[in-house]
Amino acid sequence: DIQMTQSPSSLSASVGDRVTITCRASQSISSSLNWYQQKPGKAPKVLIYAASSLQSGVPSRFSGSGSGTDFTLTISSLQPEDFATYYCQQSYSLFTFGPGTKVDIK
Amino acid sequence: EVQLVESGGGLVQPGGSLKLSCAASGFTFSGSAMHWVRQASGKGLEWVGRIRSKANSYATAYAASVTGRFSISRDDSKNTAYLQMNSLKAEDTAVYYCTRHSSSFDFWGQGTLVTVSS
Repeated sequence: DIQMTQSPSSLSASVGDRVTITCRASQSISSSLNWYQQKPGKAPKVLIYAASSLQSGVPSRFSGSGSGTDFTLTISSLQPEDFATYYCQQSYSLFTFGPGTKVDIK
Repeated sequence: EVQLVESGGGLVQPGGSLKLSCAASGFTFSGSAMHWVRQASGKGLEWVGRIRSKANSYATAYAASVTGRFSISRDDSKNTAYLQMNSLKAEDTAVYYCTRHSSSFDFWGQGTLVTVSS
């Protein structure tokens, strides 16, 4: 089974900050990596698919990069609506989610 | 508009069974792989399993934690996917989401709560 880790597990940031979240796979997953945002009481929402492709309708301040085992989600300028939990997810071999990164207000 | 609506959640005793439904609309259900993902209160997301389309032989796959206890089926004539859960354990308590997989899990239902407790 492929295991996913994320760092940090939580972070505090201010509006306008640049935020970077890292995801690592236990083995190479090529570019089979997606990023999701989840707000309390809501279903997750896909932000990035195939490591770096922006989902339709998602603001361009979100970007993804990486391949193989190491991936990054970047929010270029944090907005009030971006305070949420972010999950990476691999689809290279079945499906696994990372443990999540909670982004809250500093 | 794409909609996924889960139903069938509730309180069940340990060792019991429950069947969840996921009614889909707004996209070509028959051509889509459908998945179930769960989330225990305050915890992260856990992939449960999936069923592929008829073109892919309705192939199913499951997480190790539910293999042998859970099964996924679908009725394309009703645009509905199902999750049959048997031998339920306390640790199966969670909100269960159905979701469509294309290049990602691009559409999700609102979730249905399953509580396993005596």
